[in-house]
Amino acid sequence: QKEVEQNSGPLSVPEGAIASLNCTYSDRGSQSFFWYRQYSGKSPELIMSIYSNGDKEDGRFTAQLNKASQYVSLLIRDSQPSDSATYLCAVNMKYGQNFVFGPGTRLSVLP
Amino acid sequence: KAGVTQTPRYLIKTRGQQVTLSCSPISGHRSVSWYQQTPGQGLQFLFEYFSETQRNKGNFPGRFSGRQFSNSRSEMNVSTLELGDSALYLCASSLTSADGYTFGSGTRLTVV
Repeated sequence: QKEVEQNSGPLSVPEGAIASLNCTYSDRGSQSFFWYRQYSGKSPELIMSIYSNGDKEDGRFTAQLNKASQYVSLLIRDSQPSDSATYLCAVNMKYGQNFVFGPGTRLSVLP
Repeated sequence: KAGVTQTPRYLIKTRGQQVTLSCSPISGHRSVSWYQQTPGQGLQFLFEYFSETQRNKGNFPGRFSGRQFSNSRSEMNVSTLELGDSALYLCASSLTSADGYTFGSGTRLTVV
């Protein structure tokens, strides 16, 4: 079983809709969870971090964490064509260890 | 504040050669991590340095090595290059292991 899994997509949503991106992880003791956005030909950029169960909102982005289900998600409200990118989930399995990245989900927002 | 700087941006090398990539982290960040990104394998962890010590190492052959200097700048070296080493090499810095990364723009290595 891979450590961090994501649907590879592509996930296509119409402009203005909610995009829902999902990520599951294998290590129940994982501590820190991050979402990165990577535009084609660019490096990943950090958009959200979440450390405890529940929701965390930042503008149009909401990260949701459920440690019991080993599941973290990212919701993008009012999706824009500029949100079209690959979204990477990263999990820090244990403090002091490296992050493990999922394969990424490619999101396409259609005008 | 300046971001993470990687040099060079592009490299073309021949099989069997060696290469050194450089990374300057954000000022004050002591943790520097290196990742290899390829279309088929995604982001694969190479190693992490913290205060000049290698703290974590990924599952790459010994041809891949790195170091960190007292000013937190880091270099990675790949010896005896193979075609499969062609990839985007990303350096990322963070304040602590619990913080998210800031990535550099990467070095695109092509081995011919």
